[in-house]
Amino acid sequence: DVKVTQSSRYLVKRTGEKVFLECVQDMDHENMFWYRQDPGLGLRLIYFSYDVKMKEKGDIPEGYSVSREKKERFSLILESASTNQTSMYLCAILTGQETQYFGPGTRLLVL
Amino acid sequence: SQQGEEDPQALSIQEGENATMNCSYKTSINNLQWYRQNSGRGLVHLILIRSNEREKHSGRLRVTLDTSKKSSSLLITASRAADTASYFCATDSGTYKYIFGTGTRLKVLA
Repeated sequence: DVKVTQSSRYLVKRTGEKVFLECVQDMDHENMFWYRQDPGLGLRLIYFSYDVKMKEKGDIPEGYSVSREKKERFSLILESASTNQTSMYLCAILTGQETQYFGPGTRLLVL
Repeated sequence: SQQGEEDPQALSIQEGENATMNCSYKTSINNLQWYRQNSGRGLVHLILIRSNEREKHSGRLRVTLDTSKKSSSLLITASRAADTASYFCATDSGTYKYIFGTGTRLKVLA
């Protein structure tokens, strides 16, 4: 079974802080994704990566950056956290069967 | 409305009844997928239906796809309390930019 882990389940940060969210997979999948989920808005794609050091912007990349130095790890970075980035962040990988496996999510609160 | 919009937003049924959720989308797709999310957790893949398929079954799940109407439905038969969750459709247009809907919250009463 594919396993996708996220570094924290809950996180509280202050406005202006730099925040790192990490996602790790235990298989060799190339495609990894970061979404945010907000009530009434569903899941929105922030960034995705299709290989090491390769990335593409999703629908809402503003205020975020990503890093993929190793195949198994995809990091989401909030350069300067703001209150409107309070959200649930979900990492996912894409399998060869065209389905996504999700991590448990990180609930981020920015004060 | 957004691509991959589910209907209804919320649904409450008795255990043993069937639950039907609908999804509408706007652009051409390669496939459409349904996911379940238990409260505060990640999403779990349920079923994938390709654009050239009309119906697919998996256990108590039945999915239909009508590409002419750009819509899909998910039927859960003989629902159980454990089916209580939010259900999302997601469309894949072949660009890796999967588009998720806003979800249907299903509550199954014991």
